[in-house]
Amino acid sequence: DQQVKQNSPSLSVQEGRISILNCDYTNSMFDYFLWYKKYPAEGPTFLISISSIKDKNEDGRFTVFLNKSAKHLSLHIVPSQPGDSAVYFCAASASSGGSNYKLTFGKGTLLTVNP
Amino acid sequence: KAGVTQTPRYLIKTRGQQVTLSCSPISGHRSVSWYQQTPGQGLQFLFEYFSETQRNKGNFPGRFSGRQFSNSRSEMNVSTLELGDSALYLCASGPGSTDTQYFGPGTRLTVL
Repeated sequence: DQQVKQNSPSLSVQEGRISILNCDYTNSMFDYFLWYKKYPAEGPTFLISISSIKDKNEDGRFTVFLNKSAKHLSLHIVPSQPGDSAVYFCAASASSGGSNYKLTFGKGTLLTVNP
Repeated sequence: KAGVTQTPRYLIKTRGQQVTLSCSPISGHRSVSWYQQTPGQGLQFLFEYFSETQRNKGNFPGRFSGRQFSNSRSEMNVSTLELGDSALYLCASGPGSTDTQYFGPGTRLTVL
């Protein structure tokens, strides 16, 4: 049972345009959401996170939106740059054992930004 | 600050052997988590350690075990290796309980 779903395996955008990556979840207990970026043979790099008490969080070119009623979150990258080309993972957690560190990941979306 | 380090970076073993992977967290971080990444299953949570105690566990067989030392460094052990254990094993560290975790570069394990 996949609790975090990224339904688009890949996305291609032009440099300078907006990239929108989507993620859906099914577990109502999830209260913390994160986006990671990953290159092959490297560990995921943290990008941005959002708590369930918020509906938007911004950090530079990256904005994450959370729609709790729809159990949906999205990552917006504006403007997109060729260096943003990577696999993007959505992750979620629920407080467990006193920690929010047990992450459930989506399968990832490969973003390609074309010059 | 130095990031999360994992050793070795690459490992080749044969079926039936056992393996130990090591992770050194970011200085000051007390939580260490382990994840397995495979093409079929994606990134899956193995377990989390905090102050030398296992705080959370994923759905992996008992062949997968771990421990954490008093300096927060952690080791993961896989016994009786199977072909399906071939994967990238990632370690992540976090400062406490609800802050962001940061990942190391991973150990690529190949089981022949």
